[in-house]
Amino acid sequence: NAGVTQTPKFRILKIGQSMTLQCTQDMNHNYMYWYRQDPGMGLKLIYYSVGAGITDKGEVPNGYNVSRSTTEDFPLRLELAAPSQTSVYFCASSMSGGGQPQHFGDGTRLSIL
Amino acid sequence: DAKTTQPPSMDCAEGRAANLPCNHSTISGNEYVYWYRQIHSQGPQYIIHGLKNNETNEMASLIITEDRKSSTLILPHATLRDTAVYYCIVRSGTAGNKLTFGGGTRVLVKP
Repeated sequence: NAGVTQTPKFRILKIGQSMTLQCTQDMNHNYMYWYRQDPGMGLKLIYYSVGAGITDKGEVPNGYNVSRSTTEDFPLRLELAAPSQTSVYFCASSMSGGGQPQHFGDGTRLSIL
Repeated sequence: DAKTTQPPSMDCAEGRAANLPCNHSTISGNEYVYWYRQIHSQGPQYIIHGLKNNETNEMASLIITEDRKSSTLILPHATLRDTAVYYCIVRSGTAGNKLTFGGGTRVLVKP
């Protein structure tokens, strides 16, 4: 049971490039989330999904896009990378229903130069 | 979701109990109290959660006051590996189970 798996672990992008951060979970969780964490700060929610085909914005969605075509996968897309998007990105998942905790991946460390 | 207030940092002696306070005076009746921790730069790790009653698991105990306006996370025998940032989060069980992270408490366990 791998839990939440994120790829890649590290990436350096040039300004204006695009990339997709991958996230997959094998726990059959309906809910999935993307957070970013800037140095010395707490996590901020970018997007979340309550099931396949359903996504919604979080606190800081600008500059990102998501899709949820399957229960297992929740990729995060950066279309035009900017230095302000340099951060650590965490994906998480949880069962639906009240009170269920979220389970986090190990993160993707992204630098935009 | 209700806002939480935690001390920015605290030290603890190895082998002693660590008591981490959290104030959440605006909590509403259907909101849970969650505790997560983040060791170095790893992904946050779920510790424990509760609604009204005190809770205990293999990692920690959660004590919630009767008026639910504050809570305490207790690590019964702190080890060096418990050095981490601990986040107290209050959220409802609806609206996608979203979490709002504050600054947390940076706990340093000393030998």
